[in-house]
Amino acid sequence: EVQVVETGGALIQPGGSLTLSCAVSGFTVNDNHATWVRQAPGKGLEWLSVICAGGVTEYADSVKGRFTMSRDTSKNTLYLQMHSLRVDDTAVYYCATGWDRAKIAYWGQGTLVTVSS
Amino acid sequence: DVVMTQSPDSLAVSLGERATISCKSSQSVLYSPNNENYLGWYQQKPGQPPRLLIYWASNRESGVPDRFTGSGSGTDFTLTISSLQAEDVAVYYCLQYSAIPWTFGQGTKVEIK
Repeated sequence: EVQVVETGGALIQPGGSLTLSCAVSGFTVNDNHATWVRQAPGKGLEWLSVICAGGVTEYADSVKGRFTMSRDTSKNTLYLQMHSLRVDDTAVYYCATGWDRAKIAYWGQGTLVTVSS
Repeated sequence: DVVMTQSPDSLAVSLGERATISCKSSQSVLYSPNNENYLGWYQQKPGQPPRLLIYWASNRESGVPDRFTGSGSGTDFTLTISSLQAEDVAVYYCLQYSAIPWTFGQGTKVEIK
């Protein structure tokens, strides 16, 4: 059974930094696609970033230059480094992975990031 | 960016009746070399993460009941629930992964009438 567990969510002040982790078991992140998606309170899903099997990363304009997605194959873990956080970055952040871009089937329960002074 | 527009925003359907959700993209998500539409459908129930239902526009994910059907090509897509069950109450999202940035539709909330 594949398990995806996000951690690292917190209450943080505007302008601060935070790193989210996403531990995956039962599935290898190294050879497959993974993505981060967020959901602001009461709102829809917003795609943030993807890392492809080959390691290439892409980002939404809203986070480009502020967020960095990476993976540690030895730990089978994905990360999302977030800098210059803004109030409108407040959301539940989901990590998800799958065999390719079409089959992002394995999702975590999400971790809450609240940006507030 | 590819804009995904779903309609309606919400719908109420009687148990056992058909529910139909539309998703239109601002540009084609059909990739000609492999003839695949780079579009998926996700279901999200309250307090839960999204669940993949349909990939490549019309392929049902393993374990998804066959009452869920995806169809369409190019810029116009449909998710049909043939016989609505109580457990299908959720918000449904389409997602295009044809171009960066990937983009979701705004969501369609399905309720029981």
